[in-house]
Amino acid sequence: DAMVIQNPRYQVTQFGKPVTLSCSQTLNHNVMYWYQQKSSQAPKLLFHYYDKDFNNEADTPDNFQSRRPNTSFCFLDIRSPGLGDAAMYLCATSSGPGGYQPQHFGDGTRLSIL
Amino acid sequence: DAKTTQPPSMDCAEGRAANLPCNHSTISGNEYVYWYRQIHSQGPQYIIHGLKNNETNEMASLIITEDRKSSTLILPHATLRDTAVYYCIVMASNYQLIWGAGTKLIIKP
Repeated sequence: DAMVIQNPRYQVTQFGKPVTLSCSQTLNHNVMYWYQQKSSQAPKLLFHYYDKDFNNEADTPDNFQSRRPNTSFCFLDIRSPGLGDAAMYLCATSSGPGGYQPQHFGDGTRLSIL
Repeated sequence: DAKTTQPPSMDCAEGRAANLPCNHSTISGNEYVYWYRQIHSQGPQYIIHGLKNNETNEMASLIITEDRKSSTLILPHATLRDTAVYYCIVMASNYQLIWGAGTKLIIKP
């Protein structure tokens, strides 16, 4: 089945040590999103790519970066993780322009900071 | 951007219809209403969306009031596997889903 796959499901890193989370999709969707979800809260959009065009949310910290080398893959880089960055990170995709298409989510990567 | 208001929690008996309400009184004319659910430790799952008309698919029905200020998600025959947090969301034109706090639905045997 076509899907959105996030690896790893659980990631542990040390305070200040860079970490990269990955997402791949077999849906061939143009748009890929990264969300942060903290415990008992709704997901918060960090940024999205429409094809190669990167769109950063205004309140996304500079500590968070993203790369999309091709249609299928997207990466979230956290340059210097702090304790407050411990969260579930969700990748999602959608097709077409305009934003009026359902987003399809992966099962997330749960990031812990030691 | 329109915001949504949902009850924080609801119970429903297994086999009965679960009706989840949502208020979105500031919704704009071109904004869609989306429903997602999130089962514990999984990513959100798309359920259904609509603009003005009522919609039905294999998972649920969506009833939108004529003034579009509120909607109801109906799960016709709830099962234990429908226990989840259900999010009512308004889709803004800039790709951003405006998430509410969600309703924790508990299906009881």
